Amino acid sequence: DTAVSQTPKYLVTQMGNDKSIKCEQNLGHDTMYWYKQDSKKFLKIMFSYNNKELIINETVPNRFSPKSPDKAHLNLHINSLELGDSAVYFCASSQDLELAPSRGRTDTQYFGPGTRLTVL
Amino acid sequence: GIQVEQSPPDLILQEGANSTLRCNFSDSVNNLQWFHQNPWGQLINLFYIPSGTKQNGRLSATTVATERYSLLYISSSQTTDSGVYFCAVGTTYNFNKFYFGSGTKLNVKP
Repeated sequence: DTAVSQTPKYLVTQMGNDKSIKCEQNLGHDTMYWYKQDSKKFLKIMFSYNNKELIINETVPNRFSPKSPDKAHLNLHINSLELGDSAVYFCASSQDLELAPSRGRTDTQYFGPGTRLTVL
Repeated sequence: GIQVEQSPPDLILQEGANSTLRCNFSDSVNNLQWFHQNPWGQLINLFYIPSGTKQNGRLSATTVATERYSLLYISSSQTTDSGVYFCAVGTTYNFNKFYFGSGTKLNVKP
């Protein structure tokens, strides 16, 4: 009964390939996120989706394309992988944080286990 | 965007010692969370604390929003407390976007 799951856990691939990472949450949350954690452990938001709609898109290269088929899933597709894409990618979910206070909720973000991507 | 600074960057403790981790932020926040990333990489939420004080076992946290800082206290540290502690904040003008600090790496020695 994992709350936020990601697959695969490890991904090793060659430069130039295209790959996808999948994320699913069973918490009934409205909002899902993708974060990138670099080798220095710095965490930075990449995308945020609310009810399948993109609401945050940081300065991420166009090679990264998130897709949300429904509000329980947010997948990340990466085209033409580069060496600098090597990192740990975390998926997370939460209630809609703008609406949470008005609904009497003080919700937090729940993170998946991460996907370690290595580009050779 | 908002700046989030954590201190100290690294901390080594003997088991049983107490410690205080600090998070300073540069703007008003409506959401502040503390996370622990264990040595296996899993990020676990410790506290949701945009203001006030909360306690959970040996851990407690205090946020003074008007002075733009938050503190995480660890008492009677254990080796399982090792890992990286992150502070993350969200602002009123950009909900659903979190800014993470660079973390405090804690190593508790037996």
